[in-house]
Amino acid sequence: GENVEQHPSTLSVQEGDSAVIKCTYSDSASNYFPWYKQELGKRPQLIIDIRSNVGEKKDQRIAVTLNKTAKHFSLHITETQPEDSAVYFCAEGDDKIIFGKGTRLHILP
Amino acid sequence: GAVVSQHPSWVICKSGTSVKIECRSLDFQATTMFWYRQFPKQSLMLMATSNEGSKATYEQGVEKDKFLINHASLTLSTLTVTSAHPEDSSFYICSANQLRGGIEAFFGQGTRLTVV
Repeated sequence: GENVEQHPSTLSVQEGDSAVIKCTYSDSASNYFPWYKQELGKRPQLIIDIRSNVGEKKDQRIAVTLNKTAKHFSLHITETQPEDSAVYFCAEGDDKIIFGKGTRLHILP
Repeated sequence: GAVVSQHPSWVICKSGTSVKIECRSLDFQATTMFWYRQFPKQSLMLMATSNEGSKATYEQGVEKDKFLINHASLTLSTLTVTSAHPEDSSFYICSANQLRGGIEAFFGQGTRLTVV
């Protein structure tokens, strides 16, 4: 069945530095890889996504890379700010979305 | 953008009672909706796929007789937690997909269920 592995589970970075979260997936047929940010008690918020026909996508301070051959994708946040502190989930799925276990990101002052 | 509304946002019920949670797509039709459960400090776990006009498809380990799903219209799916127990206390979230150059998922705001 579908499986998404996410690392690390917790990440602390100094404000202004970059944060990288990595995920691997098992279903080689997957074509859609979204990343979500979730604040406590709220719904997941889509921050960026990538489809299998591209290898990289960038939106201001956020970028995602995809390596279909190796079946892994990564989230990169540059120039981190305090408001970036949250839990981030990678996911995959063309219909039902399967989530990774999440990464708790702490931005240190 | 597409909106998915979930109701109620929180509910407290007594052990042994049943609770119904509604998930509505407000500005688009959804033949399929998804129900997730999230325990504190954990990820969203897919419980089932709700199919309009037919039976829901449950993920392995999810009791279909305990978590009743009804998808009677193209804009409404309901999840009923039957005979709730304290271990059912969790954050339940629904989602529906819309085609926007590819599938994109839209989530309800979630329902915090506390069983006492």
